[in-house]
Amino acid sequence: EVQLLESGGGLVQPGGSLRVSCAASGFSFNTFPMNWVRQAPGKGLEWVSGISTSGGSTNHADSVKGRFTISRDNSKNTLYLQMNSLRVEDTAVYYCAKGRLGIGTGFDYWGQGTLVTVSS
Amino acid sequence: DIQMTQSPSSLSASVGDRVTITCRTSHDISNYLSWYQQKPGKAPKLLIYVASTLQSGVPSRFSGSGSGTDFTLTISSLQPEDFATYYCQQSYTTPTFGPGTKVDIK
Repeated sequence: EVQLLESGGGLVQPGGSLRVSCAASGFSFNTFPMNWVRQAPGKGLEWVSGISTSGGSTNHADSVKGRFTISRDNSKNTLYLQMNSLRVEDTAVYYCAKGRLGIGTGFDYWGQGTLVTVSS
Repeated sequence: DIQMTQSPSSLSASVGDRVTITCRTSHDISNYLSWYQQKPGKAPKLLIYVASTLQSGVPSRFSGSGSGTDFTLTISSLQPEDFATYYCQQSYTTPTFGPGTKVDIK
């Protein structure tokens, strides 16, 4: 059974840093691209970052470019999102999402999410 | 960036109704379009990918169609468990989601 378990969320002050993690199990982690998607309270979904199977290729939304970094450790079956220079508008539930094989084929498994609150 | 719109933004329907949701993109995305269902407090669930392929385990009352810039999600006979918010997502370029369509009980 595929499982994605996020952790590391919490309360952080504006300008602060936080790293959230996603522990994966039940599939060959190193053969699938992975993503982070966030959802601000009461709002829609926003794709944040994506990473290739090896970690050699990454992409970030313009709203977080230069502040957030996605990475993965295939030996630990874990996905990470390092968030620096956090802003109030980064407050959201952060989901990790497994990509399917094949370009443009969507995200087939999601974690339960971890809440990041940026507030003074 | 590719902009996405969904219509309607919300709708009220009854069990057994046929429901259609439309998603439009600002540029041609071929068929790189997915649909998700999200219930309150839960993670999104993939329903359909590449515009019309049903994800494993998703009931056949869900169907998708379209290509280019115009896409449709249809629920042929709405069931009580289908009341939720539905999002489209394009993966032709950097992924973006539509604003969502909330389906509630009439």
